[in-house]
Amino acid sequence: SQQGEEDPQALSIQEGENATMNCSYKTSINNLQWYRQNSGRGLVHLILIRSNEREKHSGRLRVTLDTSKKSSSLLITASRAADTASYFCATDALAAGNKLTFGGGTRVLVKP
Amino acid sequence: GAVVSQHPSRVICKSGTSVKIECRSLDFQATTMFWYRQFPKQSLMLMATSNEGSKATYEQGVEKDKFLINHASLTLSTLTVTSAHPEDSSFYICSAPRGSRGRDTQYFGPGTRLTVL
Repeated sequence: SQQGEEDPQALSIQEGENATMNCSYKTSINNLQWYRQNSGRGLVHLILIRSNEREKHSGRLRVTLDTSKKSSSLLITASRAADTASYFCATDALAAGNKLTFGGGTRVLVKP
Repeated sequence: GAVVSQHPSRVICKSGTSVKIECRSLDFQATTMFWYRQFPKQSLMLMATSNEGSKATYEQGVEKDKFLINHASLTLSTLTVTSAHPEDSSFYICSAPRGSRGRDTQYFGPGTRLTVL
């Protein structure tokens, strides 16, 4: 079963704008990971943030983690048309043996 | 970086036949691999955990006799969909974790699209 939800389910923005999506989860975690999936393709790992971290950056990506609220956010700055994809958060829950539980995903459309 | 491959990338079969999908970790060893299923416009649902040298662990609601998993080596896991039916048509994705506990990154294969006629 899915660990939590992602919000929004879909997002349409203009190139150059920022895109923010949120992920909520239910149980205590070891880490939370964000992935990108282009249509019909496999998943590309973006960022892993550990439970003792609060913020992490990678290029134009910024991820925050609030374990007290059991939520995370992914910010894509200065979006490009190539960022059009579905974005998923996935949690590695404590004692789950590396099993990842995925959120429902956010479909992002970046219009040129 | 770590690479996980899947073969085939796409398969079309007749109802009632069996289909085998391979998942390989190309530059690291994986004692554990995971198999997911993804229906169109939906998220990934974990089907089972493949364990090298022992039986796979299936998630609730997944029929182990229908989805046979074999993890014969540290770099290869196979998923066989037996007696496939149209409702088994889906995108099947495998993953393998790499790294020390708590820092593990999962590397995903490119997926296999199964269409059962």
